[in-house]
Amino acid sequence: GQSLEQPSEVTAVEGAIVQINCTYQTSGFYGLSWYQQHDGGAPTFLSYNALDGLEETGRFSSFLSRSDSYGYLLLQELQMKDSASYFCAVRDVQNNAGNMLTFGGGTRLMVKP
Amino acid sequence: GAVVSQHPSWVICKSGTSVKIECRSLDFQATTMFWYRQFPKQSLMLMATSNEGSKATYEQGVEKDKFLINHASLTLSTLTVTSAHPEDSSFYICSASQREASEQFFGPGTRLTVL
Repeated sequence: GQSLEQPSEVTAVEGAIVQINCTYQTSGFYGLSWYQQHDGGAPTFLSYNALDGLEETGRFSSFLSRSDSYGYLLLQELQMKDSASYFCAVRDVQNNAGNMLTFGGGTRLMVKP
Repeated sequence: GAVVSQHPSWVICKSGTSVKIECRSLDFQATTMFWYRQFPKQSLMLMATSNEGSKATYEQGVEKDKFLINHASLTLSTLTVTSAHPEDSSFYICSASQREASEQFFGPGTRLTVL
């Protein structure tokens, strides 16, 4: 089975940097994805790490350590619009169903002025 | 590119009725479509996976006779919630991928409220 752990809530101020950690225990693993979801909306893809190291996309970066079963999402220069829930998700292939995702419980980020 | 639509975006129905939700990939052919359910302040839980032309694979605990999934074409999958009850009220989200081990693209979701 798959299980992913991430903090339930994080609060930070505008302009700050915040790191959301994710640890996972999985039977299979292709890579770790991160999604953002605003209240009432659908998840939107942020990043994907298949190999160890840091991937940077604008203000957001994501890191993976396969040996530690650990990753994080780093958000820099926080803006009010970054207030949302952030989910890590393990990508795996099971039952010939292609790309399967198992989501963590989500981290609710609140950005304050 | 890679746009997935869902219809309706929200629906309110009486207990005991059936509701059909459509999921379409607008600009690509989706070999696999996924259906998720999300309760308030919770994570997305995979309900089932469907490949075009074959029966859906349901996750443990999901009643396949209650949640009927049809994936008749490479651009359309439907989820029918049969004999809906208030506990089925939730946010239903579909996603689609083009081929094995490729990115999933999510639809905007359908909020179902059963009275």
